[in-house]
Amino acid sequence: RKEVEQDPGPFNVPEGATVAFNCTYSNSASQSFFWYRQDCRKEPKLLMSVYSSGNEDGRFTAQLNRASQYISLLIRDSKLSDSATYLCAVPPRDNYGQNFVFGPGTRLSVLP
Amino acid sequence: DVKVTQSSRYLVKRTGEKVFLECVQDMDHENMFWYRQDPGLGLRLIYFSYDVKMKEKGDIPEGYSVSREKKERFSLILESASTNQTSMYLCASSFDRALGEKLFFGSGTQLSVL
Repeated sequence: RKEVEQDPGPFNVPEGATVAFNCTYSNSASQSFFWYRQDCRKEPKLLMSVYSSGNEDGRFTAQLNRASQYISLLIRDSKLSDSATYLCAVPPRDNYGQNFVFGPGTRLSVLP
Repeated sequence: DVKVTQSSRYLVKRTGEKVFLECVQDMDHENMFWYRQDPGLGLRLIYFSYDVKMKEKGDIPEGYSVSREKKERFSLILESASTNQTSMYLCASSFDRALGEKLFFGSGTQLSVL
């Protein structure tokens, strides 16, 4: 099993739709996770952190399913501006330090 | 706001050339990283550094070296560029080694090796 896996998409959804994508990870000891957003030809920027209790920020909800070893990102009421690639990042194998492992990203296109 | 600056947005080099990619951050961050990003493969860590003059290999260090002589600057060196090093290179920094610290990325350098 790869360390971090994501469905590359693209997910094409109409404006206003709810969309969710998952990120699976192999290190069962991982404790904190992150979702980054990357616009086309731009650098990744932190969207949300994910801890055991999950996280919600406006239309975005991130959850952790420790038993099945995946994190999810839910976007409600999708906007055109949500079109981007969403990368998940999981901690290093020793759970200490900053050398996160990134997934390949899931591409989202929100259509008018 | 944290700023991570990469010296070039686009770079074209020839096979065998020595290439320097420079990265500077202005927020006194302890940690600095070099990633490359390729379609379908995502971000892969090349080297990172937690302190001046300190470096650690990431997942794909072969063909690369780094230098961190000053806290704010982290350089990636391709000793002899090859075509398979054509990629987007992203520098990042973070404040310290606490697990919840986020990464701040530079805007990237698209390197083409001909």
